[in-house]
Amino acid sequence: NAGVTQTPKFRVLKTGQSMTLLCAQDMNHEYMYWYRQDPGMGLRLIHYSVGEGTTAKGEVPDGYNVSRLKKQNFLLGLESAAPSQTSVYFCATNQYSNQPQHFGDGTRLSIL
Amino acid sequence: DQQVKQNSPSLSVQEGRISILNCDYTNSMFDYFLWYKKYPAEGPTFLISISSIKDKNEDGRFTVFLNKSAKHLSLHIVPSQPGDSAVYFCAASDGVSGGGADGLTFGKGTHLIIQP
Repeated sequence: NAGVTQTPKFRVLKTGQSMTLLCAQDMNHEYMYWYRQDPGMGLRLIHYSVGEGTTAKGEVPDGYNVSRLKKQNFLLGLESAAPSQTSVYFCATNQYSNQPQHFGDGTRLSIL
Repeated sequence: DQQVKQNSPSLSVQEGRISILNCDYTNSMFDYFLWYKKYPAEGPTFLISISSIKDKNEDGRFTVFLNKSAKHLSLHIVPSQPGDSAVYFCAASDGVSGGGADGLTFGKGTHLIIQP
């Protein structure tokens, strides 16, 4: 998916460790989103941003923090990882909120 | 409570025939609906969308129908091709009237299998 790059693609953590997932976009989009997808489930919104310096909570924000210091980057942090946070994380962007979102290829995160 | 429901976890269709994927929603504030296609180990790819002021939108082999009174939408793929085998997600937002900045609400997906 050109335009939205997620780093890393895979990661294994131990319970209690912290880490940051990076989403970078080169489309100059205003809106950015973090979703998680669990087996047999649709994507669920964790946090989102409507512009540089802004963040807001989505449907499942607990245990995560986000920052958008630069327009092109949206960071998702896990301060103290828990096994329940094992999931595939997707970042998405769009220029206007009533337009299709463009997704990255995901970060597969396992927490032991 | 699931606001967007895809009640068929999987669907098998013969190549060349029509594939029909269904989606129901409960939130009357939704006014923008999308279908995404997802291959394994990739992110969802946007396929087609429809706003609530329309009841049909067509793009090549893909047509989305919206029945607001029934809170139901469907995706038709004609003719179905082997490359269409993927998981299809229905998604909704209040993107037109409510700004939609709080993201999309997704169904659980339907795994479409196109048989030769």
